[in-house]
Amino acid sequence: GEDVEQSLFLSVREGDSSVINCTYTDSSSTYLYWYKQEPGAGLQLLTYIFSNMDMKQDQRLTVLLNKKDKHLSLRIADTQTGDSAIYFCAERAQAGTALIFGKGTTLSVSS
Amino acid sequence: KAGVTQTPRYLIKTRGQQVTLSCSPISGHRSVSWYQQTPGQGLQFLFEYFSETQRNKGNFPGRFSGRQFSNSRSEMNVSTLELGDSALYLCASHETGSGNTIYFGEGSWLTVV
Repeated sequence: GEDVEQSLFLSVREGDSSVINCTYTDSSSTYLYWYKQEPGAGLQLLTYIFSNMDMKQDQRLTVLLNKKDKHLSLRIADTQTGDSAIYFCAERAQAGTALIFGKGTTLSVSS
Repeated sequence: KAGVTQTPRYLIKTRGQQVTLSCSPISGHRSVSWYQQTPGQGLQFLFEYFSETQRNKGNFPGRFSGRQFSNSRSEMNVSTLELGDSALYLCASHETGSGNTIYFGEGSWLTVV
């Protein structure tokens, strides 16, 4: 069945790059999303990538997609303390708009 | 443009009661979906509505229901509340047609005691 997996925790120093990884199982996924959740808040859409692309860049964010290995990554350049949050990867199946989420990666940025 | 608005933000209910949560999508978005977030199960899809019709449903018991109105606003209802229904309920607003962005509201925190 559909499943999305992420590592649970990542710790980096301010100014370094962060790379959050995600694997998914549904080869029919059309879009893959990254969301950020801060304590007590909802989900903030960071970026998304269409399944026929292999890279997307948006300011400090770079998404890499390896469709063959069903592997997605989010790179945050020049990570700041304000980037500390939980990051969720989600896949959207070909039919419909339901998202399947990973368990989230907690990013901790130290100064 | 206003974002996705969910009300109420926080509520406490007693086991056995029922609850109704409301969601107003982004203006022009006609598709709304609901998710439940708990520490144990993570984010799980409840259902999706488009043009007042339920288009997709997740694996939740019949106590969870929803509806959408002609102005695209949506409500979800949980009847006969159980302690395990305590969660953050998130509403998502979708562009339809060629749009692929899916935006979430701040959520409604439900505590069942």
